[in-house]
Amino acid sequence: AQSVTQPDIHITVSEGASLELRCNYSYGATPYLFWYVQSPGQGLQLLLKYFSGDTLVQGIKGFEAEFKRSQSSFNLRKPSVHWSDAAEYFCAVAFFGNEKLTFGTGTRLTIIP
Amino acid sequence: KAGVTQTPRYLIKTRGQQVTLSCSPISGHRSVSWYQQTPGQGLQFLFEYFSETQRNKGNFPGRFSGRQFSNSRSEMNVSTLELGDSALYLCASRAEGYNSPLHFGNGTRLTVT
Repeated sequence: AQSVTQPDIHITVSEGASLELRCNYSYGATPYLFWYVQSPGQGLQLLLKYFSGDTLVQGIKGFEAEFKRSQSSFNLRKPSVHWSDAAEYFCAVAFFGNEKLTFGTGTRLTIIP
Repeated sequence: KAGVTQTPRYLIKTRGQQVTLSCSPISGHRSVSWYQQTPGQGLQFLFEYFSETQRNKGNFPGRFSGRQFSNSRSEMNVSTLELGDSALYLCASRAEGYNSPLHFGNGTRLTVT
């Protein structure tokens, strides 16, 4: 069965510092990969997605992610975080032939001034 | 384009009661999925409907059911509520295609007392 691992439950970074959130997936087929962000009491907002082609994808709010097939990873990065980036971040995966989107357990991001 | 709309936003019910949650997808989206989000279990897939038919189902007991109407609006029903059903229930819609991302509503916060 497909699964997604986000090894970091909680990350704290200083405002202006760089950020990398980790995501690994398991399965054999070519994945469709997504990153979502959730602010408290809200639904999930799509940050970016990867289907094929260029392995470095750009998203909204200055985020980017890199797909590395050899490592089964899709890590999210941002060069300089802002206080408004404090939220919970979810990685998700789907595969051709399976509509169900499987989510990781999320990483909570705290920003300190 | 209006986003995914979920009603009500908050709900308080007593054990043993039943509840119905409503979701209006983005116009043109025929696929609607439901997820349960809890601090302990994270985001868990309940089911997906497409053109009034259930296309996918998660591992939830039969107390959880859903349906979709001809206008793509969807309802989710939980019967004989248990304390453990307290959660944020998220609805998401998507356009056709395996790589189409989910667009989420802000959720319904259900509290069972």
